[in-house]
Amino acid sequence: DAKTTQPPSMDCAEGRAANLPCNHSTISGNEYVYWYRQIHSQGPQYIIHGLKNNETNEMASLIITEDRKSSTLILPHATLRDTAVYYCIVRAASSWGKLQFGAGTQVVVTP
Amino acid sequence: NAGVTQTPKFQVLKTGQSMTLQCAQDMNHNSMYWYRQDPGMGLRLIYYSASEGTTDKGEVPNGYNVSRLNKREFSLRLESAAPSQTSVYFCASSDPDRAGNTIYFGEGSWLTVV
Repeated sequence: DAKTTQPPSMDCAEGRAANLPCNHSTISGNEYVYWYRQIHSQGPQYIIHGLKNNETNEMASLIITEDRKSSTLILPHATLRDTAVYYCIVRAASSWGKLQFGAGTQVVVTP
Repeated sequence: NAGVTQTPKFQVLKTGQSMTLQCAQDMNHNSMYWYRQDPGMGLRLIYYSASEGTTDKGEVPNGYNVSRLNKREFSLRLESAAPSQTSVYFCASSDPDRAGNTIYFGEGSWLTVV
């Protein structure tokens, strides 16, 4: 699976949009981009995933560049409950259970 | 919709004792997984079950056994617990027939072996 690079930390004001970048320059054609987050002492929570197109769900939006070498997770209106470590992961759907969680981005939402 | 449910949430064992972590999912997923998470190590796959009736080793299977009891349930057994097995254990499931084969996690089981 391709390696990802994320900033170690990010602050965001409550109510504002949080834009989390991720670089994955070695991504292969069959690899998806997944975003998870982990709030302290809880299990990893799936947020969103995409292959080529931009995606949106009730939690967030995922913007993937045309060359697929980077992506941005957007939390449209951050709340204090969004404080967590966010992980960008690249993997093929066929790689059974293999999830390489890197260091992630520690997001702190402040009042 | 509970998703992935694990029991127990907390457990303290003495070295050499045995125990079973239980996991059940209500999403009708074919595939299930057991991971452990240690500080600074990230998630490591212990065992997985691609479908009912099959199980396979992951990255760190030594000291563990698993049973895919039915489509819903996947248990992890420690036959003779060791302090090195002190960790947080996560069960997860996915549907390989859906685009992306997204993996969904339970809330974790904290295990301490003394």
